[in-house]
Amino acid sequence: DAGVIQSPRHEVTEMGQEVTLRCKPISGHDYLFWYRQTMMRGLELLIYFNNNVPIDDSGMPEDRFSAKMPNASFSTLKIQPSEPRDSAVYFCASSLLPDEQFFGPGTRLTVL
Amino acid sequence: AQKITQTQPGMFVQEKEAVTLDCTYDTSDQSYGLFWYKQPSSGEMIFLIYQGSYDEQNATEGRYSLNFQKARKSANLVISASQLGDSAMYFCAMRQLHNDYKLSFGAGTTVTVRA
Repeated sequence: DAGVIQSPRHEVTEMGQEVTLRCKPISGHDYLFWYRQTMMRGLELLIYFNNNVPIDDSGMPEDRFSAKMPNASFSTLKIQPSEPRDSAVYFCASSLLPDEQFFGPGTRLTVL
Repeated sequence: AQKITQTQPGMFVQEKEAVTLDCTYDTSDQSYGLFWYKQPSSGEMIFLIYQGSYDEQNATEGRYSLNFQKARKSANLVISASQLGDSAMYFCAMRQLHNDYKLSFGAGTTVTVRA
């Protein structure tokens, strides 16, 4: 069974450009989480969805960040405009029960 | 607010020996869950073990066991019979069990297993 799929795995862009990160959760999982990992701040939860509905977006750093989940098998995290300080690894995770979350391989974002 | 503290930034362990990774947490909730994740150099996050605050027995999963001391608010991970493939970053995490599925992570501990 396929795990959480994220694309792209690596993204390099210039400041000011729009960046879209994609996630496909494990089939049947009804929770989806977006995390950001940096050396300075560690792992931070940005937003999570339940049954495609955003439940808590208090971790989203600012209005430049937005996330959507149009259906149960797809979610996007968009940064517009991107800034160098957005450089990080972005993880998507999904879960069925409120126990273990299965993480995707991450997207390493570099904003120049 | 929940806070997870991992005081050991890095540890070395000899192959085949056991290693204990410390984790303390701070919460006013009575119902919570504690998790350990492994992040190898390839970057993926791998779930290792889970302990519920009401579980009376310490959780075990193969070579991983969780030394849960509720009164001390500690949830240390013990890796027995270390293998070279255990070299990675290990994160302790916690979440509330009611109406909140957010995981709060500690800063992590890097484990290096020596041959």
